Amino acid sequence: KQEVTQIPAALSVPEGENLVLNCSFTDSAIYNLQWFRQDPGKGLTSLLLIQSSQREQTSGRLNASLDKSSGRSTLYIAASQPGDSATYLCAVSPDSWGKLQFGAGTQVVVTP
Amino acid sequence: GAVVSQHPSRVICKSGTSVKIECRSLDFQATTMFWYRQFPKKSLMLMATSNEGSKATYEQGVEKDKFLINHASLTLSTLTVTSAHPEDSSFYICSANRAGRAEQETQYFGPGTRLLVL
Repeated sequence: KQEVTQIPAALSVPEGENLVLNCSFTDSAIYNLQWFRQDPGKGLTSLLLIQSSQREQTSGRLNASLDKSSGRSTLYIAASQPGDSATYLCAVSPDSWGKLQFGAGTQVVVTP
Repeated sequence: GAVVSQHPSRVICKSGTSVKIECRSLDFQATTMFWYRQFPKKSLMLMATSNEGSKATYEQGVEKDKFLINHASLTLSTLTVTSAHPEDSSFYICSANRAGRAEQETQYFGPGTRLLVL
């Protein structure tokens, strides 16, 4: 059974610092991995999607890496801003049809 | 584009009543929608996969008679919590993939529905 773990559970950094969020999964037979952002009481916004054949994806200040064989992904957020404060979730999909298994998330606070 | 809405955003009901939550894809067609449940400070748990025109597929441990799912059109799926009890209080989120895509692309999530059962 696939288990997705995110460490740390919470993180507080001063504005301008780089953020490093970790996600690990126990079954390496994944189809893809996604990173999402969730603001309090809100739905999810997709940040990055990495196919199993890819090593990383980048979008603006965000970079996500994937090491499928070791069951790890890391989300890097460069030069953090207070607006980056949110909960970040990673999720893996076992196949092409959309079922996602989520980690519990990392709650990030960026202080001005 | 690719907006998913949910209605209502919040609902409070008495124990024993039924509550219907709607999930709509506003600007695309979705053959598949997913329903998730999220407890405070916990991960999203997939409840069921909703396929247009067919019965939903429920995850292990989810009572299909308790959580009725109907996907009557390519833009609408509904989740009905029947005979709700306080333990059903939670945040319910739906997501949708675009129709016509052979492979999964980014899922689009609704804003969620906060259910409180008194």
